[in-house]
Amino acid sequence: NAGVTQTPKFQVLKTGQSMTLQCAQDMNHEYMSWYRQDPGMGLRLIHYSVGAGITDQGEVPNGYNVSRSTTEDFPLRLLSAAPSQTSVYFCASSYRAGDTDTQYFGPGTRLTVL
Amino acid sequence: AQSVTQLDSHVSVSEGTPVLLRCNYSSSYSPSLFWYVQHPNKGLQLLLKYTSAATLVKGINGFEAEFKKSETSFHLTKPSAHMSDAAEYFCVVSGYGNKLVFGAGTILRVKS
Repeated sequence: NAGVTQTPKFQVLKTGQSMTLQCAQDMNHEYMSWYRQDPGMGLRLIHYSVGAGITDQGEVPNGYNVSRSTTEDFPLRLLSAAPSQTSVYFCASSYRAGDTDTQYFGPGTRLTVL
Repeated sequence: AQSVTQLDSHVSVSEGTPVLLRCNYSSSYSPSLFWYVQHPNKGLQLLLKYTSAATLVKGINGFEAEFKKSETSFHLTKPSAHMSDAAEYFCVVSGYGNKLVFGAGTILRVKS
């Protein structure tokens, strides 16, 4: 199993540009989520999905869109990038949405918005 | 609502000495608690988790944590630090629907 994979590893955008961060898992996990990591703030939940076709907002959803058309993939879209979205983005997945289910994290995407 | 406070932003120990990383939590119900480790420029790896079974939880690489409900604490310990333990450690509480709430992190430095 490859686990949770993310592409790209690094990305530089200009303000106003759009892009999609890719996330895929091959563990047949129902639950997938996106977090952003900023210095001194830990990780904060952006969006999550409890299964194909079902998504919901987390703590910091503004400026981001998601969709879940398949169990395996959970892309994160930035429609109009802003410097405040400079961060490291992590995708995670777990078997189900139970609070005891361990979430497995991808390697991250480091995004810089100029 | 859940929250997590990691009491030290930086901890420095000498190799071979004990490690203590402190974490207090707040939860409106019996929580699930986790410790994750992040090595520089890497993703997050699960060290251990507490899910209302034994209050003393053993994890990977010699780490363990004790759940103390009366103190709302979940401190991470290791008897003897190794250079490879240098990393950032996150205490995490799981909320409804498996939404994770992270502490701000503790950077562990291990001196030779």
